[in-house]
Amino acid sequence: GAGVSQSPSNKVTEKGKDVELRCDPISGHTALYWYRQSLGQGLEFLIYFQGNSAPDKSGLPSDRFSAERTGGSVSTLTIQRTQQEDSAVYLCASSPGTGQTNEQYFGPGTRLTVT
Amino acid sequence: SQQGEEDPQALSIQEGENATMNCSYKTSINNLQWYRQNSGRGLVHLILIRSNEREKHSGRLRVTLDTSKKSSSLLITASRAADTASYFCATDAGGSASKIIFGSGTRLSIRP
Repeated sequence: GAGVSQSPSNKVTEKGKDVELRCDPISGHTALYWYRQSLGQGLEFLIYFQGNSAPDKSGLPSDRFSAERTGGSVSTLTIQRTQQEDSAVYLCASSPGTGQTNEQYFGPGTRLTVT
Repeated sequence: SQQGEEDPQALSIQEGENATMNCSYKTSINNLQWYRQNSGRGLVHLILIRSNEREKHSGRLRVTLDTSKKSSSLLITASRAADTASYFCATDAGGSASKIIFGSGTRLSIRP
């Protein structure tokens, strides 16, 4: 069965350019999360979508970061005017939704390198 | 700030020994989960324990939860080389059942 997929798997970009990262969640999962992980560090929460509710954007580090989730499925994380400190692995996860069991299923991540 | 913090940050043990990792968190929770990560890529869910549970087993894994101390432990028995990975605890933020916050992780190394 299809799991969470992310594209691209690797992205190298020049400082100042915009990038778009894509996440395809598991079909039917209403919750979708974006995290950022720097080398050897834990996961930093970025943004969370749940169904048609307004997303929780409390983890976005600056206004250069934004995310959309169209039709309750695919999500795109956009980073404008990239900086070197944006270099990290960006992980997407989905889960069935609210309730007691909110096990997350992770994609393989996108490794972003800003030169 | 992180909701969960793992202890120790790194652990190295001999194959066959037991590995214990601890997690502390700050706010009330509905449940706590443990995940494993290999090679800095996607995480894999290991086990979930609900706030009204005190202990849970899954194969060689044993998880305990003490809500009065806001802490959890993950025990891996009879460790194997393949258990080498980073382990993270994750909690929901109390009233928000599905916003999941991860700790900083424990890097476990199993020596052959």
